[in-house]
Amino acid sequence: RKEVEQDPGPFNVPEGATVAFNCTYSNSASQSFFWYRQDCRKEPKLLMSVYSSGNEDGRFTAQLNRASQYISLLIRDSKLSDSATYLCVVSGSQGNLIFGKGTKLSVKP
Amino acid sequence: AAGVIQSPRHLIKEKRETATLKCYPIPRHDTVYWYQQGPGQDPQFLISFYEKMQSDKGSIPDRFSAQQFSDYHSELNMSSLELGDSALYFCASSLVQGSYEQYFGPGTRLTVT
Repeated sequence: RKEVEQDPGPFNVPEGATVAFNCTYSNSASQSFFWYRQDCRKEPKLLMSVYSSGNEDGRFTAQLNRASQYISLLIRDSKLSDSATYLCVVSGSQGNLIFGKGTKLSVKP
Repeated sequence: AAGVIQSPRHLIKEKRETATLKCYPIPRHDTVYWYQQGPGQDPQFLISFYEKMQSDKGSIPDRFSAQQFSDYHSELNMSSLELGDSALYFCASSLVQGSYEQYFGPGTRLTVT
């Protein structure tokens, strides 16, 4: 079983839609949680860190449920430029990052 | 703001050759991580350095080695290249005493023929 599991999608949504991604992780000792976005053949870019209290950055809201080992990302009012692969990421015991396989989002006009 | 710099951006090598990838972290970041991302795969951790010392190893083959220099740049040395080494190699840097947020360079695309 992979340490970080997420639905690969693709999620095809119209502009303006709200879309939610979910992710589960297996190591209850993980301390840090992130969402990264990755465009095709480009580097992962940090979208936001995820905290137990939940956090919001503009149209993006992330939530962490430590008891369920569950992380979510909500994107409101989707833009064409949101089209990318969204990677759920947790910190490993070595300080490295452990990535999920990513959820592909395609926002259509 | 300054970002992580990697060179070269693209590299083509033949089997059994060697390759050296370079990474220049964000100024004042003291930790460097190397990741390998194969086609259609998620990035896999290879090795990391903190204050010029190796701090952790992931799934790095014995044919690969790395080091961090006094100016904090890092090099990944790859020998006896195999076809399966073809991948994107990312370097990331972070401030260890921060929030463990890692910032990635643009990557080096290695093709082994």
